[in-house]
Amino acid sequence: GESVGLHLPTLSVQEGDNSIINCAYSNSASDYFIWYKQESGKGPQFIIDIRSNMDKRQGQRVTVLLNKTVKHLSLQIAATQPGDSAVYFCAENNGNNAGNMLTFGGGTRLMVKP
Amino acid sequence: GAGVSQTPSNKVTEKGKYVELRCDPISGHTALYWYRQSLGQGPEFLIYFQGTGAADDSGLPNDRFFAVRPEGSVSTLKIQRTERGDSAVYLCASSFGGNQETQYFGPGTRLLVL
Repeated sequence: GESVGLHLPTLSVQEGDNSIINCAYSNSASDYFIWYKQESGKGPQFIIDIRSNMDKRQGQRVTVLLNKTVKHLSLQIAATQPGDSAVYFCAENNGNNAGNMLTFGGGTRLMVKP
Repeated sequence: GAGVSQTPSNKVTEKGKYVELRCDPISGHTALYWYRQSLGQGPEFLIYFQGTGAADDSGLPNDRFFAVRPEGSVSTLKIQRTERGDSAVYLCASSFGGNQETQYFGPGTRLLVL
């Protein structure tokens, strides 16, 4: 199948370990952040989101941390599984933007070794 | 329930030809978005519809690109006089109509211009 990204930063982890994927955003006016997972040949799949009035949000096996001071976002995946292998994108939105457009980062490839 | 669907899944055309890409959003979603994803990069915003009207078309690269959503549901992205640089995956997403609602993506149409 088609490769989503050929020259993306890659994080390689052992199955069962925790993964941390980082993202730096540039727009200090952004107040809504989303993590998407994209498998080869598929569209981005929503994982979790966080608004700027929060520092942390937890989902099932995933946690998103937001540090507005340094404009940094991270996605933590607990007990990483082979099915987690994909490219992960962070996206940001500026609530004052009436268009609701998302601005995506460059992506990180996660490879899970069995 | 059914997700966002896009047709065709793949399209190969020759330089200078006209193409139409179709998006069928999730039922009940009034907002619809088109993004373009080049190999190795995150999706880039093209245009956003709220109902039948284009609320933000600031991402369309030039006047060869046009999109419609005549009945507020299905949308068609139209590209005239295609160029090799138009080759990319064209992604459609939909959401409920409010501000910063979660955007759900379709599988994309892979366009190759020879």
